[in-house]
Amino acid sequence: QSALTQPASVSGSPGQSITISCTGTSDDVGGYNYVSWYQQHPGKAPKLMIYDVSNRPSGVSNRFSGSKSGNTASLTISGLQAEDEADYYCKSYTSTSTYVFGIGTKVTVL
Amino acid sequence: QVQLVESGGGVVQPGTSLRLSCAASGFSFSNYAMHWVRQAPGKGLEWVAVISYDGSHKYYADSVKGRFTISRDNSKNTLYLQMNSLRPEDTALYYCARKPPTTTGIDSWGQGTLVTVSS
Repeated sequence: QSALTQPASVSGSPGQSITISCTGTSDDVGGYNYVSWYQQHPGKAPKLMIYDVSNRPSGVSNRFSGSKSGNTASLTISGLQAEDEADYYCKSYTSTSTYVFGIGTKVTVL
Repeated sequence: QVQLVESGGGVVQPGTSLRLSCAASGFSFSNYAMHWVRQAPGKGLEWVAVISYDGSHKYYADSVKGRFTISRDNSKNTLYLQMNSLRPEDTALYYCARKPPTTTGIDSWGQGTLVTVSS
């Protein structure tokens, strides 16, 4: 149950697009379409942004999108806004019926 | 609306036990699997355990297996986490969280209860 690999930080200017990667193995990310993404602002509980690789919950901006290729999932934020500055975590279901989070990525809006 | 309210956290010594509770309201608790997720101070999210909607299936992170037990009482709309043999590395904010039946995303979170393990 090693944590999924994410870049420690990603930054972009307002209006730009950024992509956060989430790399696992064939026992988690690569084996199932069960990757979700969470946004967490300081001092707040996480918020679901994407589930099952590419599905957006009701109320989440369509500027957020998800995808997967092999053992790597990705979250793209387009039209970056100041309110997007937060920590982002991926999470995957695993072959042992457990779950594993990524190490987290700090997104900075320049 | 959906509410998840954790309680039971506190400061305890290494080797001791603690039981966390999560009171759920605003939805049909017995229809949802439930997770515990923790976050050490200044660190990332760590998945701890999950229990099926009826309590028949339970899975744990390797870091807590054999020490923690997840359970639920659907008649009381309450989720529990019994934590035994606590270690300093168990110090964290513990979140109760809801998993919808048809996806693996966690769509609702509590505000967390803080557990500090220190001598």
